[in-house]
Amino acid sequence: DADVTQTPRNRITKTGKRIMLECSQTKGHDRMYWYRQDPGLGLRLIYYSFDVKDINKGEISDGYSVSRQAQAKFSLSLESAIPNQTALYFCATSEPTSGQETQYFGPGTRLLVL
Amino acid sequence: AQSVTQLGSHVSVSEGALVLLRCNYSSSVPPYLFWYVQYPNQGLQLLLKYTSAATLVKGINGFEAEFKKSETSFHLTKPSAHMSDAAEYFCAVTERDSGYSTLTFGKGTMLLVSP
Repeated sequence: DADVTQTPRNRITKTGKRIMLECSQTKGHDRMYWYRQDPGLGLRLIYYSFDVKDINKGEISDGYSVSRQAQAKFSLSLESAIPNQTALYFCATSEPTSGQETQYFGPGTRLLVL
Repeated sequence: AQSVTQLGSHVSVSEGALVLLRCNYSSSVPPYLFWYVQYPNQGLQLLLKYTSAATLVKGINGFEAEFKKSETSFHLTKPSAHMSDAAEYFCAVTERDSGYSTLTFGKGTMLLVSP
């Protein structure tokens, strides 16, 4: 079984709808991250959490919110989806090692907002 | 703020040829540097990382990268490309010795390998 799972893998929604993307991990890591990937722009950090009680905004948090329900679960919500939020979304986890840590990525959720 | 520049959004090589993917960083203090690879329809996985005094870093699948402080570079190389190397490659940077910094990714380079 995969260590980092994301659900759903694909989602089509309409403008204005609220949707939630979920991430679960079995690696036992404290740190979790949400990124979005757009062609030609690489990965950009949306939100990150260094432990269950710690939530931080990333580079592009506007229009998004997150919830860290447990060490193993980190959800990303789009409160009112808009077409420019169409992208590939990745969850990642890591264990703190003074900045050297490897991040482990889920398989991604492909989101299309019509 | 740290940043990473990857020269070339696409690089094409023939099977068996040298692979060279370029990465330059912008930081006042040498950071930690990473190369990640993304195969089609998959998440990213770590190829290699630079975190110590050893400037030549070997990674998985025959890849290696050399940290050059004078050139602020961390280019990725492989002596002989395989068809299976076709993927998108991302260089990333994080602040040295900080337990609270996050990764900043470059925009990626798509490696195309032709027979």
